[in-house]
Amino acid sequence: KNEVEQSPQNLTAQEGEFITINCSYSVGISALHWLQQHPGGGIVSLFMLSSGKKKHGRLIATINIQEKHSSLHITASHPRDSAVYICAVTRGSNYKLTFGKGTLLTVNP
Amino acid sequence: DAGVTQSPTHLIKTRGQQVTLRCSPKSGHDTVSWYQQALGQGPQFIFQYYEEEERQRGNFPDRFSGHQFPNYSSELNVNALLLGDSALYLCASSLAPGHNTEAFFGQGTRLTVV
Repeated sequence: KNEVEQSPQNLTAQEGEFITINCSYSVGISALHWLQQHPGGGIVSLFMLSSGKKKHGRLIATINIQEKHSSLHITASHPRDSAVYICAVTRGSNYKLTFGKGTLLTVNP
Repeated sequence: DAGVTQSPTHLIKTRGQQVTLRCSPKSGHDTVSWYQQALGQGPQFIFQYYEEEERQRGNFPDRFSGHQFPNYSSELNVNALLLGDSALYLCASSLAPGHNTEAFFGQGTRLTVV
């Protein structure tokens, strides 16, 4: 079993829909990261959180430390949101990231 | 402010050859981590460099080696290339280990081994 599990693996939505991507992890962490990867490879950090909730524009990330679970929400989805969304965790005092396999999101117009 | 830059962007090598990939960290960052991302998979940690030393290493063979220079830039070297080494190689920079900061990634180097 991977340390970081994401669901769903693939997600197709219509423009304007509310989207939720889930991440579960099996170890104690110091922080959880949500990242976005577009075709071509580059990875962009969306959020880093260790508790509670963060919001940036139409994106919201939440984490429940007790349940070892995090969610990434996208409100009013748009085709430009189409990308792979990856959950990753860091543990302890190091900065090694352990990644989930990612969720491929496709938003159709 | 230049972010993390990697070179080259694409590379084709033959089995058995050696390759060197390069990474310049974001301004102000002194720690560089390298990841390998196979097609359809999440990135896997190769190793991390800080103060010109390898501080952590993932489950990769000794064919994978690296270096960090005094200006914090880094190289990833892979010897005796195998077909299975074909992947996207990502560099991420951060502050010193122990600082929880957001991850900053380069665009990656896509290595194809034929």
